[in-house]
Amino acid sequence: DVKVTQSSRYLVKRTGEKVFLECVQDMDHENMFWYRQDPGLGLRLIYFSYDVKMKEKGDIPEGYSVSREKKERFSLILESASTNQTSMYLCASSLAGGGEKLFFGSGTQLSVL
Amino acid sequence: RKEVEQDPGPFNVPEGATVAFNCTYSNSASQSFFWYRQDCRKEPKLLMSVYSSGNEDGRFTAQLNRASQYISLLIRDSKLSDSATYLCVVIWFSGGYNKLIFGAGTRLAVHP
Repeated sequence: DVKVTQSSRYLVKRTGEKVFLECVQDMDHENMFWYRQDPGLGLRLIYFSYDVKMKEKGDIPEGYSVSREKKERFSLILESASTNQTSMYLCASSLAGGGEKLFFGSGTQLSVL
Repeated sequence: RKEVEQDPGPFNVPEGATVAFNCTYSNSASQSFFWYRQDCRKEPKLLMSVYSSGNEDGRFTAQLNRASQYISLLIRDSKLSDSATYLCVVIWFSGGYNKLIFGAGTRLAVHP
């Protein structure tokens, strides 16, 4: 089974801190994604990557950046955390050309105080 | 109007009931459709694809109505373990890549 691992299940940070969310997948998937999930809004795509060192903006990239230096690892960075970035963050991966079957990590609940 | 809309529910049904959810989408050029299931405090997992001719997987039936731009999920003989949030996903090609749009989900609660 594909395993997508997110480094933290719960995280509490202060406004203005730089926050790193790490995601690692073990199935050699080309595609990796970062979503945030908020009640009533569903999953919204922040950034995605179809290859190493490649990144594309999703629907809500403002306030975020990403890094993909290795195929298995996709990091989400909050440059200066704000309270409106309090959310559940979900990482996902998929095979190239199989973008519809996403394998998700268990999520990181981030609280920014 | 949201690109993909679902009734948030909750749908409260007794065991053994049949329940159906709809999901409407705004982009008539949408190509692919899926249902994901998300248990409480867990990650979403793919439940089934939705094919044009309709498809069935055990107690679950998915259908697509392109003319009215909606997909549906029917669950027969509901089990307690079916309690979850069901997310529809619509895919269309945009900006050089396949864009996946998630609905906000419909919550199902099956009670004894």
